[in-house]
Amino acid sequence: AQTVTQSQPEMSVQEAETVTLSCTYDTSENNYYLFWYKQPPSRQMILVIRQEAYKQQNATENRFSVNFQKAAKSFSLKISDSQLGDTAMYFCAFMNHMDSNYQLIWGAGTKLIIKP
Amino acid sequence: DAGITQSPRYKITETGRQVTLMCHQTWSHSYMFWYRQDLGHGLRLIYYSAAADITDKGEVPDGYVVSRSKTENFPLTLESATRSQTSVYFCASSEWSSASTDTQYFGPGTRLTVL
Repeated sequence: AQTVTQSQPEMSVQEAETVTLSCTYDTSENNYYLFWYKQPPSRQMILVIRQEAYKQQNATENRFSVNFQKAAKSFSLKISDSQLGDTAMYFCAFMNHMDSNYQLIWGAGTKLIIKP
Repeated sequence: DAGITQSPRYKITETGRQVTLMCHQTWSHSYMFWYRQDLGHGLRLIYYSAAADITDKGEVPDGYVVSRSKTENFPLTLESATRSQTSVYFCASSEWSSASTDTQYFGPGTRLTVL
């Protein structure tokens, strides 16, 4: 069974700093998708970035980028020039490409606090 | 408004009562999902649906019932609510295509309290 582990329950950084959130996963599959979702205090679950396992290039979305290490089964999220609005829970999630039901496997989340 | 909506946003009920949480999406996505989120846990899948009239159990289905008579609606019913079902419930939807089938889009959530 696939599992997703986020080893940092909580992190805090100063505004404008760079922060990296860790995520590791366990799977025997070769083709899959990985996601980072953000959940601000409003509770809305917002997709931040996604990565397809067959792509070697790390995904980037503005200030958000990932470091995808397939062999190590690691998928960290880097937030550059952090802003107060980045304060949220961040969840890492995995989806097996061969799963015809498209089920997401979730990590427990990392609470990120951006301090002014 | 376009997107995925949930109602009610907040609900307080008593043990043993039946409660239905509504989910509606305007994208005509094939797939819909119900998750619950509890403190210290990521989201856990309750039920999902691949299309109208097709539903299946997720990780934690006990005590819940779903139906999907129309593509756009996916109600979740707690037949006899228990305190352990106090949680935040999220509905999500996703579209299938040969090119991309992966991203799930979430509703705003329903906070349910069972007294």
